[in-house]
Amino acid sequence: NAGVTQTPKFRILKIGQSMTLQCTQDMNHNYMYWYRQDPGMGLKLIYYSVGAGITDKGEVPNGYNVSRSTTEDFPLRLELAAPSQTSVYFCASSYSQSASGNIQYFGAGTRLSVL
Amino acid sequence: GEDVEQSLFLSVREGDSSVINCTYTDSSSTYLYWYKQEPGAGLQLLTYIFSNMDMKQDQRLTVLLNKKDKHLSLRIADTQTGDSAIYFCAEILYSSASKIIFGSGTRLSIRP
Repeated sequence: NAGVTQTPKFRILKIGQSMTLQCTQDMNHNYMYWYRQDPGMGLKLIYYSVGAGITDKGEVPNGYNVSRSTTEDFPLRLELAAPSQTSVYFCASSYSQSASGNIQYFGAGTRLSVL
Repeated sequence: GEDVEQSLFLSVREGDSSVINCTYTDSSSTYLYWYKQEPGAGLQLLTYIFSNMDMKQDQRLTVLLNKKDKHLSLRIADTQTGDSAIYFCAEILYSSASKIIFGSGTRLSIRP
């Protein structure tokens, strides 16, 4: 059982370039999340999705876009990369959003540098 | 406001107990979590406690919750080298079950 898979693991971008961070899960979870983790900081929620076709903004959505065409996949798009987007990005999924059921399963992360 | 705070570093001797502390601000928190992040990996849920509980024990792990002081702690008994990791405290709010607030993480290092 692969769980949550993120690709790529590492990427260096130039300012202004665009890229898509891929995330897929094989647990049939409806709920998926994108976080960024800056050094010495906790995770900040970028976007989340409650099911295929439905997405919503988190705390720090500016500069990012998402889509959810299938239950399994939740890609994160950076259109015009900026140095402030240098971070480690984590995708997560959960089977429920109830307080008792929102146990999130994380991917291994994508380390992104924008130079 | 919503905030979860932890100290950044903790160093303990192998075989001793580790105690990682966390404070949170939102009294509407229903569940509080401890996640573990090993180098190069994502976060993995270690344990969680419901807000109407004071204590939860799971093998070497003991979670203590002081709801009055909004203080959560994780005690790891007989700390081993494999416990070296970053430990994140997190809370989920009753008002917004989709939103988990994470602390900045405590890096636990083990001395021989």
